[in-house]
Amino acid sequence: AQKVTQAQTEISVVEKEDVTLDCVYETRDTTYYLFWYKQPPSGELVFLIRRNSFDEQNEISGRYSWNFQKSTSSFNFTITASQVVDSAVYFCALRWGWNFNKFYFGSGTKLNVKP
Amino acid sequence: DVKVTQSSRYLVKRTGEKVFLECVQDMDHENMFWYRQDPGLGLRLIYFSYDVKMKEKGDIPEGYSVSREKKERFSLILESASTNQTSMYLCASSPHPPPRAQYSNQPQHFGDGTRLSIL
Repeated sequence: AQKVTQAQTEISVVEKEDVTLDCVYETRDTTYYLFWYKQPPSGELVFLIRRNSFDEQNEISGRYSWNFQKSTSSFNFTITASQVVDSAVYFCALRWGWNFNKFYFGSGTKLNVKP
Repeated sequence: DVKVTQSSRYLVKRTGEKVFLECVQDMDHENMFWYRQDPGLGLRLIYFSYDVKMKEKGDIPEGYSVSREKKERFSLILESASTNQTSMYLCASSPHPPPRAQYSNQPQHFGDGTRLSIL
């Protein structure tokens, strides 16, 4: 069965702290895709990053970085020097299926960044 | 930029009513999805459609139906609304992967959501 676990329900940090959001996934497929989305208070989900199962390279984009490790089935997301605008709910998602039309989302991690 | 538009941001209906939630996308995407989002449960897939008139049940289809008569429009229907269907509803679309699927990693694009309250 496919599954995405975001064990951290809510995290609170003070501005400028680094924070890591955990994501652990389960799938029997050898080809799959992983995504992170951000949902600010306004409600719309915003796509942040995607990674396919063949590419374990970590990625850095400004203050954001992602660590993909197939050995531990994890795809963790780190925000460096957090800012108040980073406050949002973050979702990890797994895409799989015969035509890769199925997305399975984790339950989300609410990040509160306090000034 | 991909635009996914949901017809209502907020909606209040009564128990037993038939409710229609509309979603339109402007990028000619083959795939469209309806999710509901509830605290602590994340996003759960209700239905998705991979082509006009084609649909597949997601994880929680009970009490819902869908309609995809045109490629750009995907409607979610609550046949007889109940209070446990009070939720945030999110529509999404994505392109169909090309034949070499292992090189496809297109994300879903989401609408702003419809917060539906059933009284």
